[in-house]
Amino acid sequence: DAKTTQPTSMDCAEGRAANLPCNHSTISGNEYVYWYRQIHSQGPQYIIHGLKNNETNEMASLIITEDRKSSTLILPHATLRDTAVYYCIVRVAPITTSGTYKYIFGTGTRLKVLA
Amino acid sequence: NAGVTQTPKFRVLKTGQSMTLLCAQDMNHEYMYWYRQDPGMGLRLIHYSVGEGTTAKGEVPDGYNVSRLKKQNFLLGLESAAPSQTSVYFCASSYKVAGGSYEQYFGPGTRLTVT
Repeated sequence: DAKTTQPTSMDCAEGRAANLPCNHSTISGNEYVYWYRQIHSQGPQYIIHGLKNNETNEMASLIITEDRKSSTLILPHATLRDTAVYYCIVRVAPITTSGTYKYIFGTGTRLKVLA
Repeated sequence: NAGVTQTPKFRVLKTGQSMTLLCAQDMNHEYMYWYRQDPGMGLRLIHYSVGEGTTAKGEVPDGYNVSRLKKQNFLLGLESAAPSQTSVYFCASSYKVAGGSYEQYFGPGTRLTVT
C-alpha cells in the first residue's frame, strides 16, 4: 500500500509557483521523501528528496513539516513543460542487510500548467 | 552516456508465449530494478538486484523471472504471458551508497500487450 496521499489533479498558471502537497502521516524516522515526475508515458524523472530539512535545487524546493507528516513540492515558476504526473514517494529501508531501499509509489498528482 | 536503455520499446504477445525484456545501463550502477505500471497507477516493483549475480523479489514478482549475469544488464523474463501482464515495464538503476540516499534513473519503458 502507498504510504503517501496526493490530490489527483491540479492546475497552475504559467509563470506562477506550483505547490504540490503530499501527506505521509505514517512515515518512519529514517524514511526519506522523494519526488519524481513522469511526463507523458516516459520513465519517471528525479526531482528532489529530503529527510526532515527543507531542500532546494535547480528544479524545485521541498518543504517538510516539522512532524514530517506532510510535505510540499514547489516549482517556483511553472512552465508548460512542467505539465506531468508528480509522484511523492516514501523510500523504505531494507528489511535485511542484503536488501535495498524501495520506493512505494502512490498514484501521483496530475499537474497541468495553463498558458 | 546513454543512461538506462530498454529493448524492445513495444511488443505484442499471445497468451502463453514467452519473451525477455532487456535493460542496460552504462553508469556502473550496482542496483537495478524492474517495475510495472498499469493505467492510472503508480509503479510497482517486480524484482530487483543489488549486484551482479544476485536478484530478489519485489512487490509483484509472480509470473516473472530475472537474471543479472553482467553488472550492466538486467533481464526480465515472462515464461508464459497472460493478459494480466499487459502493462508498461520500466527498468531503473541506482548507485549503492552505504546508509545514504540516492536517486533511481529510469529507462524509457517497454509497452507490452498480451492478447
